[in-house]
Parts: sequence; structure tokens; C-alpha cells
Amino acid sequence: DTAVSQTPKYLVTQMGNDKSIKCEQNLGHDTMYWYKQDSKKFLKIMFSYNNKELIINETVPNRFSPKSPDKAHLNLHINSLELGDSAVYFCASSRLPSGANVLTFGAGSRLTVL
Amino acid sequence: AQKVTQAQTEISVVEKEDVTLDCVYETRDTTYYLFWYKQPPSGELVFLIRRNSFDEQNEISGRYSWNFQKSTSSFNFTITASQVVDSAVYFCALSERNRDDKIIFGKGTRLHILP
Repeated sequence: DTAVSQTPKYLVTQMGNDKSIKCEQNLGHDTMYWYKQDSKKFLKIMFSYNNKELIINETVPNRFSPKSPDKAHLNLHINSLELGDSAVYFCASSRLPSGANVLTFGAGSRLTVL
Repeated sequence: AQKVTQAQTEISVVEKEDVTLDCVYETRDTTYYLFWYKQPPSGELVFLIRRNSFDEQNEISGRYSWNFQKSTSSFNFTITASQVVDSAVYFCALSERNRDDKIIFGKGTRLHILP
């Protein structure tokens, strides 16, 4: 069983569209994250939720809206997609919100905006 | 200010050579955590090691070893007798206890092990 699973793995779409990426973890972790990895491999945190509550919200355009229906799921919805949104988006989870905790990552979702 | 610096963008070595990946960090906290993650060509990110600021003991795990030196704010990673399967991007990361507990990643070092 995959510990942190993301869908879809690949997403190709046109500028201006709205798209969602889903993430689920079966590790029983309380905290989930979204990271963005750009074409230069730079990894940057976007959001973090602890038990459905938003705890980290980096400087991200408000076209990005995370939603956590329960602590095992954290979805990412992106409105009005732009070329610069093309990246690999990684979902991750950790047992607790503390930065001391090890992150378990999903396989990534590669978003290409044309 | 960049908190985690991995000055080596890309390294190529021949198989069986030893290679050290450098990581220099910057923090004012006394309590912090350092990590290394591996991203092989398949793309997933895999945890390798975590160190807290109070534990300067070096760590060895098989062919992998880590040298943590607070005096130089460095947490370097050495692969001994490298293998082609070690080819990956390696990320060093820092989490500061008093800074929202966010994990900040370095820009990564791409390691090529040539057969």
C-alpha cells in the first residue's frame, strides 16, 4: 500500500483552466503538506495542515486553495492556471506538525500548463 | 537570506569513488534539525537522515556517512565506494524550532555516478 498517494501523476492543461490534485495518506499522520518543485529542482513549502487546520500558508497566490476534508486527505485546487504554475507538486505528511518530524512524500504530480 | 546552502550544483564521479556533498546552514536558534533527502531519477523524495542540534555525533549507515560540525555550521554527506544507483539529487534541509517549524530545503546537488 502506498503511504502517501497523489493523483493525478501527470496533468497537462491550458492556461486559464482550473485543476485539482488530490492527496491521501494512510500512515495515520496528523500533518500534511504541499510542496512545489520548480524546473530547477527548488523545493518550496506552500501549505501545511495539522488535523484539518491550516498552520502554514506561505506567500502563495490565492489562486491556490488547499482543502483538508479530514486529516488523511489534503487536496490542492488551482484556479486560472498560469504558465508559471508548471511544476511538480509534492504532497507530504508527518506524524506531528513539528519541523523535527520526518516528511513522507508522495510520488509527485507533474503539472504542465500550455 | 538563504538558510541552507548546497554550493555544489552538480557533481560527477566515477563508480567506486568516494564523494562528499556539502551542506552549510544558517540559524540563530539553539534548537534545530537537519535532514538529508534523496530524489532519484524516478522523482520521489526519500528521507535519509535527521540530526538535532544537540547531537553532533557523526553517523554511518552502510556506505553513507554524515559529518555534523556546529563550529562550521555544516552537515556534510559522504558516499563511500559510490554506485550508479546513488545517482540522484540530494537535498539538505533545516528546520528551526522557533521559526514556525518549517522545513527549508537547500537547492540540491545533482550527483552523477558514471559507470
